[in-house]
Amino acid sequence: DVQVEESGGGLVRPGGSLRLSCVASGFTFSTSGMNWVRRAPGRGLEWISYISAKSNLIHYADSVRGRFTIFRDNAKNSVFLQMNGLTDEDTAVYFCARGGYSSSWLDSWGQGTLVTVSS
Amino acid sequence: EVVMTQSPATLSMSPGERATLSCRASETVAGNLAWYMQRPGQAPRLLIYAASTRATGVPARFSGSGFGADFTLTISSLESEDFAVYYCQQYNDWPTFGQGTTVDIK
Repeated sequence: DVQVEESGGGLVRPGGSLRLSCVASGFTFSTSGMNWVRRAPGRGLEWISYISAKSNLIHYADSVRGRFTIFRDNAKNSVFLQMNGLTDEDTAVYFCARGGYSSSWLDSWGQGTLVTVSS
Repeated sequence: EVVMTQSPATLSMSPGERATLSCRASETVAGNLAWYMQRPGQAPRLLIYAASTRATGVPARFSGSGFGADFTLTISSLESEDFAVYYCQQYNDWPTFGQGTTVDIK
């Protein structure tokens, strides 16, 4: 069974930082591209970042580039999202999702972790 | 950025009815289009990829069509578990999603 589980969300003040984690099982993580997608309150889904299986291709949405960093540890079947310079616009449920190489459909998603940016 | 526009925003339907959801891209995305369903409090679920290929385990009542910039998701006969929000997503460029269509009970 493919499973993806996010953690690390919480309440953070504007300008603060947070690191999200995602651990996967049930598939060969080291050959899978991984993505982060978020859904802000009252809004739709927004793709924010991708990392390839060997970390040689990384891409960000304009809304987070320069503030967020994606990285992975294949030995721990985990992908991470380091979020710095948070604003209230970053308040959302953050999902981790498996993809392919580069841009693709996302076939396995976690339940998400809530990030709230507020003073 | 490829902008995806879904219509209608809300579709009020009864169980057993046929639902047709539309998705339009601001430029051609060829056949690089996926559809997802999301119920409240749950993870999105992949329904369709490559515009018309059902993902593993997706019931046959879900079908996708289209190519280029205009796409359609059809649910042939709505069941209670189908009332949810549906998103299209292009992956011809870096991914972008439509704003969603809510299918609710009339």
